[in-house]
Amino acid sequence: DGGITQSPKYLFRKEGQNVTLSCEQNLNHDAMYWYRQDPGQGLRLIYYSQIVNDFQKGDIAEGYSVSREKKESFPLTVTSAQKNPTAFYLCASSVNTNTGELFFGEGSRLTVL
Amino acid sequence: DQQVKQNSPSLSVQEGRISILNCDYTNSMFDYFLWYKKYPAEGPTFLISISSIKDKNEDGRFTVFLNKSAKHLSLHIVPSQPGDSAVYFCAASATSGGANSKLTFGKGITLSVRP
Repeated sequence: DGGITQSPKYLFRKEGQNVTLSCEQNLNHDAMYWYRQDPGQGLRLIYYSQIVNDFQKGDIAEGYSVSREKKESFPLTVTSAQKNPTAFYLCASSVNTNTGELFFGEGSRLTVL
Repeated sequence: DQQVKQNSPSLSVQEGRISILNCDYTNSMFDYFLWYKKYPAEGPTFLISISSIKDKNEDGRFTVFLNKSAKHLSLHIVPSQPGDSAVYFCAASATSGGANSKLTFGKGITLSVRP
């Protein structure tokens, strides 16, 4: 089945530790995105990548890093510099079109203790 | 500054009645609008979209209306069903900004459909 797979679904970390969230897609989409969802905040864009080996900061990139070494993969690292890392993280992808329709993964819930 | 606003955080309707979810936007460059539906602990799924060249798009029980002069769109669900209970996000993009113009999301509306 084609889709987007995020792992892990739930993750607990101690404060000060870096953590990497995985996102893999087999939709052959060029573009991939990371969003963060907080209660009452909607979806906020962290980073996006339109093509392999290239990525751009979104609206709330501070404290996060990404890489795009393969078309299928777009991992997100939540660093210790992120002040409020506890959140629900969503990965998405899209075909390189102008329609903007995104396909989302199931999400990863990160809790920092 | 929020460019896509969903001012009502929640809506409760009786099963079988119409649900009307509203969304306002401020960026006049937005020309493509989408609605996503999200269940708890899951990713959003695409529901319906509309281009600014139209004022209405219908797909089964779901209809989206666009009023460009008022910078307002609404999603109508009729008849509403208990399975429609979810968070609904309005999103917009300025496609003239090039391929993969970023989507801007509203904060979402929680719809509850009472049996």
